[in-house]
Amino acid sequence: QVQLVESGGGVVQPGRSLRLSCAASGFTFSSYGVHWVRQAPGKGLEWVAVISHDGSNWYYADSVEGRFTISRDNPKNTLYLQMNSLRAEDTAVYYCAKDGDWGSRMDVWGQGTTVTVSS
Amino acid sequence: DVVMTQSPLSLPVTLGQPASISCRSSQSLVHSDGNTYLNWFQQRPGQSPRRLIYKVSNRDSGVPDRFSGSGSGTDFTLKISRVEAEDVGVYYCMQGTHWPPLTFGGGTKVEIK
Repeated sequence: QVQLVESGGGVVQPGRSLRLSCAASGFTFSSYGVHWVRQAPGKGLEWVAVISHDGSNWYYADSVEGRFTISRDNPKNTLYLQMNSLRAEDTAVYYCAKDGDWGSRMDVWGQGTTVTVSS
Repeated sequence: DVVMTQSPLSLPVTLGQPASISCRSSQSLVHSDGNTYLNWFQQRPGQSPRRLIYKVSNRDSGVPDRFSGSGSGTDFTLKISRVEAEDVGVYYCMQGTHWPPLTFGGGTKVEIK
């Protein structure tokens, strides 16, 4: 079945870096765009970034532009999020979500990985 | 950026009764390709979000038919015809027409009275 599994979360000090991964299975990974979406404790959903199916296009939320980098390795069926210069406000559960067919967004989500930025 | 406004914030419902959630966008969500990219997601307590509805009214596979989506332009609604205990959670609308960024509503918490 279609599955996305995030990993790489943890506790990190402000200003440091962390790299998240999202392992995909059960579908042709290279055919779909993929997103990172985060949810701060007790808050709603915030879109973070998206990358196109072939990795040639990507877009970011203003809140992470210049600090986060989204990338993918299609032969490894894996999505990444490199997070630099982390701030307390980046503390959240980070989800990856794949696009669906016919331009529909975020049809399948992972279980999430927790990032805590604290000194 | 397109602002998505949901109401109510909290929705206490009696089991077996209907429920309705409103989502309004700050501008029309009709894309130049003719589609309207408005999704609904359900997030049960302690779980990751799950898509229920895409492009306003298309139910995802496995979603019970008691869930339905409707609306057009800037005004959208998610309806649950008869609320069941498993429907408890937070519901989010999201627009994918004018991006980046893709934007979510603030969420509506459905609980049982």
